[in-house]
Amino acid sequence: DVKVTQSSRYLVKRTGEKVFLECVQDMDHENMFWYRQDPGLGLRLIYFSYDVKMKEKGDIPEGYSVSREKKERFSLILESASTNQTSMYLCASSQGVDQPQHFGDGTRLSIL
Amino acid sequence: EDQVTQSPEALRLQEGESSSLNCSYTVSGLRGLFWYRQDPGKGPEFLFTLYSAGEEKEKERLKATLTKKESFLHITAPKPEDSATYLCAGHGSGNTGKLIFGQGTTLQVKP
Repeated sequence: DVKVTQSSRYLVKRTGEKVFLECVQDMDHENMFWYRQDPGLGLRLIYFSYDVKMKEKGDIPEGYSVSREKKERFSLILESASTNQTSMYLCASSQGVDQPQHFGDGTRLSIL
Repeated sequence: EDQVTQSPEALRLQEGESSSLNCSYTVSGLRGLFWYRQDPGKGPEFLFTLYSAGEEKEKERLKATLTKKESFLHITAPKPEDSATYLCAGHGSGNTGKLIFGQGTTLQVKP
C-alpha cells in the first residue's frame, strides 16, 4: 500500500518563525506535491517536484520554499511565518504525471 | 482558464437512498479525471481515475462515469460510513501532474 507520512499532525508556531514541514513517501515515486487546504478555497498547489533537487512553483508559492535532497523526502519551508499561513497542509506523491496522487494525512498548522 | 466545479456543495441522504454527485470541468486536453474521498481531519483518499469519455469505474457502492464535459459519482444504497467529502480533480495538458481540484461535495448519510 502507498504510504505518505507527514511528520506532524498538529503544529503551533509564532509569527516570524521559520517553519519546516516534512513529508516522506515509501513508494519510490518521482513526483511530490505540497498543497494547502482552506475552507471555501479548496486545495491549492504551493510547490511540486518531479525529481531530486528539482522544484516548480504552483499557484501560491509566495512565502514558501521547498527542498528535495532525497527522492523520498520533500520539505516545505515557511521562511517567516505569518498568521495568513494558518492552514491544513497536505503532501502528496505520484508515480507519473498521469497517475493518481496519494496524500498524507496533513499537518494542521496554526500561526499565532 | 481551467476549472472544475462540483455540485451540490452538500448532500444529505437517508441510508439506502441512491444519488449522484456532479463534477463539471473545463480543462483543456484533459488527461485524467480523479475522484477522492476525504474524511474529517484526514488527507484525500484516492478512489478512481477516468481517462476517456464513456469510461466507467466501480468500487463497492460507488460508480464513476465520464463524459466530455462532466463526471458523475453515483452512490447506490449508501450507508452511514459513506459520509465524507468527495473531491474531483482534473489533470490538464501540461506535463507536470498538476491537478485542478473542485471544492468538493460533503455527503451525509443518515441511518
